[in-house]
This record gives sequence, C-alpha cells and structure tokens, in this order.
Amino acid sequence: SQTIHQWPATLVQPVGSPLSLECTVEGTSNPNLYWYRQAAGRGLQLLFYSVGIGQISSEVPQNLSASRPQDRQFILSSKKLLLSDSGFYLCAGTQGRNEQFFGPGTRLTVL
Amino acid sequence: AQSVAQPEDQVNVAEGNPLTVKCTYSVSGNPYLFWYVQYPNRGLQFLLKYITGDNLVKGSYGFEAEFNKSQTSFHLKKPSALVSDSALYFCAVRDGRGNFNKFYFGSGTKLNVKP
Repeated sequence: SQTIHQWPATLVQPVGSPLSLECTVEGTSNPNLYWYRQAAGRGLQLLFYSVGIGQISSEVPQNLSASRPQDRQFILSSKKLLLSDSGFYLCAGTQGRNEQFFGPGTRLTVL
Repeated sequence: AQSVAQPEDQVNVAEGNPLTVKCTYSVSGNPYLFWYVQYPNRGLQFLLKYITGDNLVKGSYGFEAEFNKSQTSFHLKKPSALVSDSALYFCAVRDGRGNFNKFYFGSGTKLNVKP
C-alpha cells in the first residue's frame, strides 16, 4: 500500500528564515503529488501539485515554492518565512482514478 | 466552476444514534466523490469513494454514503454513532471532465458524538 512520509512533524521558525519540508512516497510509482496547507484545523488550501519530475503547478501566488527532484520526492520551500505561513502542511499523493493518500503532516509555527 | 459545500460546521449526535454529514458538489463532468476523516494533528484518512456503479457506497468503520445525481449530493451516514467517531470530516470531488489532477475539498464538518 502507498505510504507518505513527512518530516519534520513539528517546526518552529523565526520570521525571515528559510524553510524546507520534505515528502517522500513509498509503494507506488509515478504518483501525482500535492502540498496543502490547513489553517486552524479547518479547510485545506491547495498550494502546489505535480504530475511528474520537474513538473509543478502553483495554485496560490505566495512566497512558497515546490520542487520534485525525483519521482517519489516532493519538497516545499521558502526563502523567507512570513507569520502568515504558519499552519499544518500536508503532503498527499494519488494515482489514476484513485483517492488521495495523505502523510501525517508538519505543524509549522513562524514566530 | 468546481466546488464542494459542507453546509454544517458542526454536527452533534448522541452515541448510538444515526448520523449524517452533508455534502453537495458542483462539477462540469462526471464526479468522483470521496470522504475523509481527520483526527487532531493527523493527516486525512480515506473513508470511502464513489466513481461509478451502485449509488450506495460502503466504506471503513461502518460508514456509508449515497450518491444522488439529481440533488448533486453525497451525504455521509452511519446507522449508530460511536464516541470514537468524533473527528473532522471532509468531502472531496474530482471533475471527470475538467482538470482531473485536482481535488476540491469542502470546508470540513466537525462531528461531536456524546456519550
């Protein structure tokens, strides 16, 4: 079965510092991969998705970026964090017509 | 435009009673519909899906959902609620005609099951 790993589980960063969140996938190949942000335990905001290596679609213009250097690796980055970047970041994957499977998430607090 | 609506922010039900969490959707093509559950500080867990076939779909933990094309609804149900069902529930849709790569999520419904 497919599994998504995310790390770290929690992160506290100062405003203006860089960010790198990593997501890796096991148990499938050529998945579509997604980064979501969830604020205050409510709705999911789609940030980026990728249908293949080096292919990134951005949904929300902001100071975040994403990269997919390998088929099963998806990275979320920022050069300078803002207070508004705080939230719960979820990586998800899917293949074909199937449902998405989610990672455990990273809780980011920007101070 | 594609969208999902979960009209209730919160649903309260007593343990042992039936529960319903509502979801309506809007897509241009055939809908692929999903329900997920989220416990605090965890990722989303898949419960069930409708792609084609029987309108009544059965999923994990005794949950089921009924696809109603005329009402564009996909309500989540369970005959007898458990306290452990208390969590945040999300409905999601993929558009069979539009950008199939994207999932559209509702805003979530918090289910509270009281003993």
